[in-house]
Parts: sequence; C-alpha cells; structure tokens
Amino acid sequence: QVQLQESGPGLVKPSGTLSLTCAVSGGSITSSNWWSWVRQPPGKGLEWIGEIYHSGSTNYNPSLKSRVTISVDKSKNQFSLKLTSVTAADTAVYFCVRLKADYYGSETHFNFDSWGQGTPVTVSS
Amino acid sequence: DIQMTQSPSSLSASVGDSGTITCRASQNIGNYLNWYQQKPGQAPKLLIYASSSLKSGVPSRFSGSGSGTDFTLTISSLQPEDFASYYCQQSYTSPWTFGQGTKVEIK
Repeated sequence: QVQLQESGPGLVKPSGTLSLTCAVSGGSITSSNWWSWVRQPPGKGLEWIGEIYHSGSTNYNPSLKSRVTISVDKSKNQFSLKLTSVTAADTAVYFCVRLKADYYGSETHFNFDSWGQGTPVTVSS
Repeated sequence: DIQMTQSPSSLSASVGDSGTITCRASQNIGNYLNWYQQKPGQAPKLLIYASSSLKSGVPSRFSGSGSGTDFTLTISSLQPEDFASYYCQQSYTSPWTFGQGTKVEIK
C-alpha cells in the first residue's frame, strides 16, 4: 500500500517561499497516477493546489498558478511544492496526495485515494 | 471553476440514526463526484468515488447516489466512529474543487 510523507519547514516568513517535499513509499512515483498537493487553512475546507505526473507534466489551480511550482524527482521517488510570495493567508496544513485514475470504458474517473498525514505551515514573522 | 455546495453545514444526530448530506454542483458533472471523511487532526479518507462506488474496506452503511448536479451521501446507521466532517469533490474537470464540508456531530 502506497504511503506518502510530507516534510519541510513549519514556519515561513511573509513574502518568503514555502518549500515542501513528499516522499512516496510502497509504490513507484512512475506509476500511472498523478501526484498532488492539497491544503486546508485552520478550521476551513480543502483546496487543491496542483498536481504532477512523473513525466513532469503539471496542472495548477488558477488561483495560485502564478506562485506555485511542483516538481518530481524520480530517482528519490518524491515530489515537491514551492509556493512563493507567501502571506498569512497561506497558513494551512499541507497534504500530499495520490490522484488515482480509474477507467470505466471510455470514462476516466480521478480520486484522491492516498493521503499523507499533513504538515502544518505557518506564515509569520 | 465548478462550485460545490454542501448542505447542511452541520448535522446533529444520535448513534443509530441515519444521516444524509447533499452536495450540489454549479454545472452538470455527470457522476464525477467523490466523498471523503475527515476526523480531527487526520487526513481525509476516500469513502465513495464515481458518485456511488464504495471504496474497498469502507462499511456498507455508507452509500452515495446522484448524477448531474445533485448528489447525496447517506449513512444508514451512524456509529460513534462516523462522527466527523465530510467533503464532496468533483472530478469532472480541473481545477478539482471541494464542497465546504459538513460536520456530523453527536446529539
């Protein structure tokens, strides 16, 4: 069973860059899945940040696209998130998640089926 | 972006009661709808995908239905471990979006 584990600083200064890494174990990052980041501000709901395929193809939430970069390191079986110019509004628990594709005839259904435990990040001086 | 609206925002029920959460999409999403359960301090867990398919290992008291714009998650007999928050999520098109969540609390 695939497991995901986030790591990175828990405190980032305003206007700085948030950098997180997700280590994937129990499965290969080169499998036919997308690898995503989702965040959850304190006491609030879930927001999809973006995703990457092992080929390096990426998709980002338009609301964050100008500040987000997701990259993959196949040799280490991990992927990473960088979010620039952070403000207090970026304070959240950040989850790395596998976006699994299920195929039903001509239809492809995606779901977030495996989640890391989440890592809290606070933006504060 | 497709907006997902859940109701109610909170639900108070007793053990053994049934509970129903609805999710409405801002446009037709077919059956591209997933449901997640999240307990405090934990990551969300996938319960149902493609509107009505139960993920392996999820108790059969959970069921999902709906298509188009209106969807329902039903818990047939609430157990103590079911008191949590629940989120719907559309998988029709990127950006993937979630409902605001429904908190199921013990009455």
